Amino acid sequence: GENVEQHPSTLSVQEGDSAVIKCTYSDSASNYFPWYKQELGKGPQLIIDIRSNVGEKKDQRIAVTLNKTAKHFSLHITETQPEDSAVYFCAASSGTASKLTFGTGTRLQVTL
Amino acid sequence: ETGVTQTPRHLVMGMTNKKSLKCEQHLGHNAMYWYKQSAKKPLELMFVYNFKEQTENNSVPSRFSPECPNSSHLFLHLHTLQPEDSALYLCASSQDSGGYGTDTQYFGPGTRLTVL
Repeated sequence: GENVEQHPSTLSVQEGDSAVIKCTYSDSASNYFPWYKQELGKGPQLIIDIRSNVGEKKDQRIAVTLNKTAKHFSLHITETQPEDSAVYFCAASSGTASKLTFGTGTRLQVTL
Repeated sequence: ETGVTQTPRHLVMGMTNKKSLKCEQHLGHNAMYWYKQSAKKPLELMFVYNFKEQTENNSVPSRFSPECPNSSHLFLHLHTLQPEDSALYLCASSQDSGGYGTDTQYFGPGTRLTVL
């Protein structure tokens, strides 16, 4: 089955700096890669996703890149703000998105 | 709010109790999911329902029994649980388009379960 590894497990950046979280996956058939943000006391919320026919996708301060050959994808957050502090999860899925395999999460702390 | 609600938000139960978790989605989706989230572990998919039919059971112990009476409601019945079952139980829903659509999964806030 699919295996997703996520690094780092914790990340501390100063406000205004960039943050990068990386994930690798094992199943070459995977074609859908969402990123979720989970704040304290809430469920994960989708912040951006990418499909295998695209190499990069951007939404304001958030971008995701995908390297299918190397089987890794990354989340980039620019100009970080305190409200970006949360746990971020990557996931991968093949076929439909009904079977997502998640990474172990990255706790991002944005300090003033 | 994501359109997915879960009750109760917190639950403490003994190992001999029987309790149920409830999930309701107001998004018109046709697929619903139960996940288990334990500390320092990835989210674990437990069950998937499409159009009220169970399409995935990820080797979940029989002390967890799901029920999906319609496309908007999903229950997880719990009985004779173990302390290691303590976790955050998350419900999610999506519009299963067979791989041709976004298939984004929307999560509820979860039920924090503690088994004594």
